Amino acid sequence: EAQVTQNPRYLITVTGKKLTVTCSQNMNHEYMSWYRQDPGLGLRQIYYSMNVEVTDKGDVPEGYKVSRKEKRNFPLILESPSPNQTSLYFCASTKTGGWSEQYFGPGTRLTVT
Amino acid sequence: AQSVTQLDSHVSVSEGTPVLLRCNYSSSYSPSLFWYVQHPNKGLQLLLKYTSAATLVKGINGFEAEFKKSETSFHLTKPSAHMSDAAEYFCVVSVPGSSNTGKLIFGQGTTLQVKP
Repeated sequence: EAQVTQNPRYLITVTGKKLTVTCSQNMNHEYMSWYRQDPGLGLRQIYYSMNVEVTDKGDVPEGYKVSRKEKRNFPLILESPSPNQTSLYFCASTKTGGWSEQYFGPGTRLTVT
Repeated sequence: AQSVTQLDSHVSVSEGTPVLLRCNYSSSYSPSLFWYVQHPNKGLQLLLKYTSAATLVKGINGFEAEFKKSETSFHLTKPSAHMSDAAEYFCVVSVPGSSNTGKLIFGQGTTLQVKP
């Protein structure tokens, strides 16, 4: 089954404790993105990747890091989480860029206290 | 700059009545437009997309949307609401040049409530 998986689905952590949210897709897609969803703001792009070792900032990259060492994986790293990063995070992949369908993971709900 | 505005944050309809979710966009170029649906505790799923072919686009689950360039609108409709349609809906526009980025601009979302 074609899918994007994220782990963990729920995470509660404390300020400053490094964490990683994993994302994996099995569709051989070249493009992957991370979004955060906040009430009343829709989804905003954090980082995107066009291929292995090619990443760039989205609209809200501050406080986040990503890596793309393999085509299928695109982890999101919070080196020193803060309460304003409490949000719902989605990973997405797409085959050929902005005009094609994006496949979204189930989401990771992060709470930073 | 590209932007998208969903005109209603919340829409409530009765089961069996028509659904209208409104979306206006702003784009300097011919846009690609999408509607995504998010059911509770789920990821987003593509409902339909417009990419400069037919202006009336049919999607899944009986939804359709009409691209009106003169009105810069891309409203989502369905003739008869079903209880399973209750969800949050996002109107989305692609950014020019986004063929290299996969970058999309999301509206704020419209929550559709369907009453029995």
